[in-house]
Amino acid sequence: GENVEQHPSTLSVQEGDSAVIKCTYSDSASNYFPWYKQELGKGPQLIIDIRSNVGEKKDQRIAVTLNKTAKHFSLHITETQPEDSAVYFCAAGSNFGNEKLTFGTGTRLTIIP
Amino acid sequence: DTEVTQTPKHLVMGMTNKKSLKCEQHMGHRAMYWYKQKAKKPPELMFVYSYEKLSINESVPSRFSPECPNSSLLNLHLHALQPEDSALYLCASSQVVTTPGNSPLHFGNGTRLTVT
Repeated sequence: GENVEQHPSTLSVQEGDSAVIKCTYSDSASNYFPWYKQELGKGPQLIIDIRSNVGEKKDQRIAVTLNKTAKHFSLHITETQPEDSAVYFCAAGSNFGNEKLTFGTGTRLTIIP
Repeated sequence: DTEVTQTPKHLVMGMTNKKSLKCEQHMGHRAMYWYKQKAKKPPELMFVYSYEKLSINESVPSRFSPECPNSSLLNLHLHALQPEDSALYLCASSQVVTTPGNSPLHFGNGTRLTVT
């Protein structure tokens, strides 16, 4: 089955700086890569996703890059703000539903004011 | 606010109790999921319902019994749980995917379950 590794497990960043979280996956058949943000006391919320036919996707301060050859993808957050503090999970799955979605182990991001 | 509503937010139960967790969504999604999340861990898939029929059971012990009474509701019935079952139980929903593409998961805020 799929195995997703995520690094780092914790990350502290000065407000206004950028944060980068990296994930690698093992199954070359995976072709859907979402990122979820989980704030304290809440469920995970999708913040951005990318499919394997795209190398990069951007939504305001958030961007995701995908390298299918190397089987890794990354989340980039620019101009970080205190409300970006949360746990972030990457995931890898199929383009045919969520049953095979495998989550990474999570990154606790802390933005230092 | 999330469009997937879970009740109760917190639940404390003894090992001999029977309780139920409830989940409701009105987005027209026909796939619904139960996940279990332990502290500092990612969500783990337990069950998937597609068009109100159980399509996946990830070898979950029978003390957890899911039910999907209609397309908007999902229940998880609990009986004779163990202290190690204490966790955050998350409900999620999505469109059913039948052609290449994907429908993102929409999670509720979960029920924090403590088994004493």
